[in-house]
Amino acid sequence: NAGVTQTPKFRVLKTGQSMTLLCAQDMNHEYMYWYRQDPGMGLRLIHYSVGEGTTAKGEVPDGYNVSRLKKQNFLLGLESAAPSQTSVYFCASTINFYEQYFGPGTRLTVT
Amino acid sequence: AQSVTQPDIHITVSEGASLELRCNYSYGATPYLFWYVQSPGQGLQLLLKYFSGDTLVQGIKGFEAEFKRSQSSFNLRKPSVHWSDAAEYFCAVGAYSGAGSYQLTFGKGTKLSVIP
Repeated sequence: NAGVTQTPKFRVLKTGQSMTLLCAQDMNHEYMYWYRQDPGMGLRLIHYSVGEGTTAKGEVPDGYNVSRLKKQNFLLGLESAAPSQTSVYFCASTINFYEQYFGPGTRLTVT
Repeated sequence: AQSVTQPDIHITVSEGASLELRCNYSYGATPYLFWYVQSPGQGLQLLLKYFSGDTLVQGIKGFEAEFKRSQSSFNLRKPSVHWSDAAEYFCAVGAYSGAGSYQLTFGKGTKLSVIP
């Protein structure tokens, strides 16, 4: 039981490049979330999903897209990366919303 | 909309001393409140949660928190801090998003340093 895993762990992009972050969970959780964490800002919700095939916007969705084609996976895409998207990205999942299980994070730098 | 304020950005305590981390929330209904801990380079781990009932809740690693509705506070406490408690602590409030899911709104965090 791996819990929540994130791929990759680190990535450096040039401005304008695209990439996809993968979040996978093996706990059969319905709800999945993508957050970004910036120094002094706490965690801010980017997008979330309440089930396979559904997604919704969070607090800071601009510049990101998501997809949940399979229940266990939640993908976060950056179509044209900007330096303002330099951050640590966390994925979380839960079956009942109140105990969210977090992945180890992806550190993204956009130059 | 809900919000969480953690007034202290950084706190330093000596090992063995007591600890209190402050958290104030704003939410129109009965809040669901949480404390998470993040060790360096790690994801977040749930310490404890409050939904209803007893206003003093116990969590893992010897932590407890007290919900005070009149003060809109949910402060985290530990009687005796260990060096391994050095981490960043996040308070969060949960609310129904209206889209079939609940969301957590996090405070900006309090970094705890422990002096041996």
